[in-house]
Amino acid sequence: AQKVTQAQTEISVVEKEDVTLDCVYETRDTTYYLFWYKQPPSGELVFLIRRNSFDEQNEISGRYSWNFQKSTSSFNFTITASQVVDSAVYFCALRDSNYQLIWGAGTKLIIKP
Amino acid sequence: EPEVTQTPSHQVTQMGQEVILRCVPISNHLYFYWYRQILGQKVEFLVSFYNNEISEKSEIFDDQFSVERPDGSNFTLKIRSTKLEDSAMYFCASSELIGGGQPQHFGDGTRLSIL
Repeated sequence: AQKVTQAQTEISVVEKEDVTLDCVYETRDTTYYLFWYKQPPSGELVFLIRRNSFDEQNEISGRYSWNFQKSTSSFNFTITASQVVDSAVYFCALRDSNYQLIWGAGTKLIIKP
Repeated sequence: EPEVTQTPSHQVTQMGQEVILRCVPISNHLYFYWYRQILGQKVEFLVSFYNNEISEKSEIFDDQFSVERPDGSNFTLKIRSTKLEDSAMYFCASSELIGGGQPQHFGDGTRLSIL
């Protein structure tokens, strides 16, 4: 069965610190896709990144970077030099042979000034 | 940038009443979805819809739920006889294609409060 685990319920750091959000997934499929979404306090869900199971290259987008490791079934998300505006709940999600997204429980990230 | 729009942003309804949540997906998208998020919990899949048919639904999507695309732009979720436990944020999403890698783009959600 598919499953996404975000073990960190809440993380609090001081602005400008680097922070890594963990995501571990389970699936029996060899073809699957992983996503990160951001949910700011206003409540909307904002798509951040997609990764397919055949592409293990890490990706960097500005202060955001993602580390995909199939060997450990992990897809971790790092924010470098965090800012107060990064405060949000971050969700990791998995999509395999089904159409639906399977979501992790989310990690609440608090960036203190 | 095109976006998914949902109305209303907040709906308050008496238990047992019917409620319709409305969504306008991105115009060139073909696949539509409803998810819900009970306060403080994870996002849960309800249903996916393509070519005027349900393509997949979860256990949550029981007989009290239905979806419809009444015209070329709207996609609606109806809850026939609401219960207290239906209180949640309901998100509509759409994607251009069904391929697993296609990102689903979400609306801002409708907060449904059942009294």
